[in-house]
Amino acid sequence: QLQLQESGPGLVKPSETLSLTCTVSGGSISSSSYYWGWIRQPPGKGLEWIGSIYYSGSTYYNPSLKSRVTISVDTSKNQFSLKLSSVTAADTAVYYCARRGTTVTLRVVHYFDYWGQGTLVTVSS
Amino acid sequence: SSELTQDPAVSVALGQTVRITCQGDSLRSYYASWYQQKPGQAPVLVIYGKNNRPSGIPDRFSGSSSGNTASLTITGAQAEDEADYYCNSRDSSGNHHVVFGGGTKLTVL
Repeated sequence: QLQLQESGPGLVKPSETLSLTCTVSGGSISSSSYYWGWIRQPPGKGLEWIGSIYYSGSTYYNPSLKSRVTISVDTSKNQFSLKLSSVTAADTAVYYCARRGTTVTLRVVHYFDYWGQGTLVTVSS
Repeated sequence: SSELTQDPAVSVALGQTVRITCQGDSLRSYYASWYQQKPGQAPVLVIYGKNNRPSGIPDRFSGSSSGNTASLTITGAQAEDEADYYCNSRDSSGNHHVVFGGGTKLTVL
């Protein structure tokens, strides 16, 4: 059974960089069939896609966050990571890592089928 | 980038059928996926693509799509189906970007 687990500081100061790691167990991050993504959810609000990465290192970022986001992968550790710079209180959220699959039957569909439990990151001085 | 629009709240009587909709231009080109999220828990994938259910998802959940609208139907809603539901799809820009809908709070009466 595939499992994902987020780790990192729960409190980050304004203007600093938020750093989180997602450890994948029960499967290989180097699978050619999947991307790996970060999604966040501010308290009481909806889901927001942050970005996705392929095991080769190819990345795609939400345009609204692109200038501040870096996602990287370490296949030797079966991990991928998120860095979000210059954080403000608006970046306070539960951050999830997830596996993204794709199927193509008449149309493409992207879906997140395995999720971590999420980790709350609070931006506060 | 694209946007996906969902009704903020929907209610259904226990045992009845409810449809939750998701609208957006990207849905003319790409299928949606649907997620159920209960308080304090991570989202769970319930439907993806034309009408695919992951293992373990009850068959009372089904999906459909027409034009710019995707729908999640729960046939015979149960008390445990009360949750927030989110749709997502590939962005219409077509470059692996993903967009989520704002979510629908489903209340089972």
